[in-house]
Amino acid sequence: DAGVIQSPRHEVTEMGQEVTLRCKPISGHDYLFWYRQTMMRGLELLIYFNNNVPIDDSGMPEDRFSAKMPNASFSTLKIQPSEPRDSAVYFCASSLGTGVSPLHFGNGTRLTVT
Amino acid sequence: QKEVEQDPGPLSVPEGAIVSLNCTYSNSAFQYFMWYRQYSRKGPELLMYTYSSGNKEDGRFTAQVDKSSKYISLFIRDSQPSDSATYLCAMANAGKSTFGDGTTLTVKP
Repeated sequence: DAGVIQSPRHEVTEMGQEVTLRCKPISGHDYLFWYRQTMMRGLELLIYFNNNVPIDDSGMPEDRFSAKMPNASFSTLKIQPSEPRDSAVYFCASSLGTGVSPLHFGNGTRLTVT
Repeated sequence: QKEVEQDPGPLSVPEGAIVSLNCTYSNSAFQYFMWYRQYSRKGPELLMYTYSSGNKEDGRFTAQVDKSSKYISLFIRDSQPSDSATYLCAMANAGKSTFGDGTTLTVKP
């Protein structure tokens, strides 16, 4: 199994531009999570999906952020327009069920907005 | 106040030392307690999990949970340079995991 695959690994963009982050979860996993990690705020849950349906998006910071999961093998996190304070590492994770099922994280996308 | 507070560190210990990492939490609804390890420029990976008070041992690692005090710990015995990483505690309820900010550990040869 290739694990959770995220692309791109690094993204540098200018303020105001649209950014799209991509994630391929582990095949068969029915939960998908988007997290953001910064030095100041640690690892924050942005949104999670169950069977492609968004369950809780209360962590999405504002309307500039949106996430979709059109099928079981693909999800996107979009920021439009991007701002310098969005600079962070964005992680996608998937799991099989909840509770004691571990989260399997990708290696993240390091986003820098100048 | 954050739901999960983790001792910030960083910690630097000599090889072979016993390491203690600690977290407290405020939400009594948390049912599952986990420790993740994160190497530089990598995603976190699950190290240990438990759902009850008491100790759980796995090799050199012991996870301890005290629900009455809302306190969890991770002990690493005979620490190795390869244990150098950031350790994140996490607590879960209803499908959501809430993470501590992490403690960065360096084990010096």
